[in-house]
Amino acid sequence: AQSVTQPDIHITVSEGASLELRCNYSYGATPYLFWYVQSPGQGLQLLLKYFSGDTLVQGIKGFEAEFKRSQSSFNLRKPSVHWSDAAEYFCAVAYSGAGSYQLTFGKGTKLSVIP
Amino acid sequence: DSGVTQTPKHLITATGQRVTLRCSPRSGDLSVYWYQQSLDQGLQFLIQYYNGEERAKGNILERFSAQQFPDLHSELNLSSLELGDSALYFCASSLAPQETQYFGPGTRLLVL
Repeated sequence: AQSVTQPDIHITVSEGASLELRCNYSYGATPYLFWYVQSPGQGLQLLLKYFSGDTLVQGIKGFEAEFKRSQSSFNLRKPSVHWSDAAEYFCAVAYSGAGSYQLTFGKGTKLSVIP
Repeated sequence: DSGVTQTPKHLITATGQRVTLRCSPRSGDLSVYWYQQSLDQGLQFLIQYYNGEERAKGNILERFSAQQFPDLHSELNLSSLELGDSALYFCASSLAPQETQYFGPGTRLLVL
C-alpha cells in the first residue's frame, strides 16, 4: 500500500532563511506527487505537483520541489521564507486504482516563522 | 479561492444525530472527493464520485454515505454520530479522476 512520510512534525525558521521540508513516499508505480499548504482555519491550497518530466518543479509563492526517484523523495524548498509562510504543509501521493486517483497524505509539517 | 464551496462551515450536534454536509464542485469538474481530517488520523480519503457514480471508497464508515447529484453537487451524510466523528471534512473536485484535486474550505463538525 502507498504511504507518505513527513519526518518533521514541526519546523521553526527565521524570516529570510531558507527552508526544506522533507517528504518520502512508498508507492509501487510512478507516483503523482503534490504539496498542499493549509493556513490556520483554512482549506488546502495546492502549491505544486509532479506528474512527469522535469524533476524540479516550480510552484506558487516561490516554492519548488525536487523529485528524486532513487531516494523516493519529493522535498519542498524555498530560498527565503516570509512570515506569511507560517502554516501546515502536506505532501501527498496520488494512488491510481480503477479509474480513481485517491490522495494519500503525510501527517503534515507545521512551519513556524520567527520575525 | 479554489472555486469549491462547502456548507455549512461549522456544525455542532449531539451524539446519535445525523447531519448532511454539502459540496459544490468547481465549474466543469465532474469528480468529487471527500476527505476527513482529524488530529489522530490526519487527512484520510473517504469516497469519490465521478459524474454521479461512485468510483472509489477509502476509510469510510458504514454509518457514512454520500451521493453526487445530476447537477454534480455532492452530499456526505453522517449518521449515528459519535464523539470521534468530530473532525474537519473536506470536499475536493477535479475535472476528471486523474486530474489535480482542488479543495474546498471544509466543514468543521463538532459532536458533543
